[in-house]
Amino acid sequence: DGGITQSPKYLFRKEGQNVTLSCEQNLNHDAMYWYRQDPGQGLRLIYYSQIVNDFQKGDIAEGYSVSREKKESFPLTVTSAQKNPTAFYLCASSILRGYEQYFGPGTRLTVT
Amino acid sequence: KQEVTQIPAALSVPEGENLVLNCSFTDSAIYNLQWFRQDPGKGLTSLLLIQSSQREQTSGRLNASLDKSSGRSTLYIAASQPGDSATYLCAVPNSGGSNYKLTFGKGTLLTVNP
Repeated sequence: DGGITQSPKYLFRKEGQNVTLSCEQNLNHDAMYWYRQDPGQGLRLIYYSQIVNDFQKGDIAEGYSVSREKKESFPLTVTSAQKNPTAFYLCASSILRGYEQYFGPGTRLTVT
Repeated sequence: KQEVTQIPAALSVPEGENLVLNCSFTDSAIYNLQWFRQDPGKGLTSLLLIQSSQREQTSGRLNASLDKSSGRSTLYIAASQPGDSATYLCAVPNSGGSNYKLTFGKGTLLTVNP
């Protein structure tokens, strides 16, 4: 089955700890994205990558970091510098120069 | 900066009713518009993508229309069912550069009552 997987589904961390969220796709898509979703707000773009070893900041990149060492993988690290990390995180991918984005099931991160 | 607005924020209808969800955007220079469905606690499921050159796109009981000049799109759901209950989101690519970044509306929460 082709698709996007995110793990874990739920993640709990103490304040001050870094945490890495996994995103893997087997759709052979070049572009991958990370969004954050908060209650009452639209999805906001954190980072995106159009090609391996290249990525760009989105609208709310502060306190986050990413890597793109493989085409199928785009992990997101939420660092201790992110002031309000508790949120629902969604990963997506699309064909480069195509437009339809496909989303994973999401990871709900709770930081206390 | 592109802004996307969805009205109404919430909608409750009886089963079998036809309904329309609205999406408006401020910058009409878009390549396409995408409609998604999101169930509680889940990721987004792509429903329809309508290209800027198209006026309509249909999939089963769903029909999306696009009027670029007025900055509006509608999602029509025919013969609604309880299983249609979800949040519906529309999104457009950012204008003036990369078409890979989507701007989302805040969604319409649809409840279809049996």
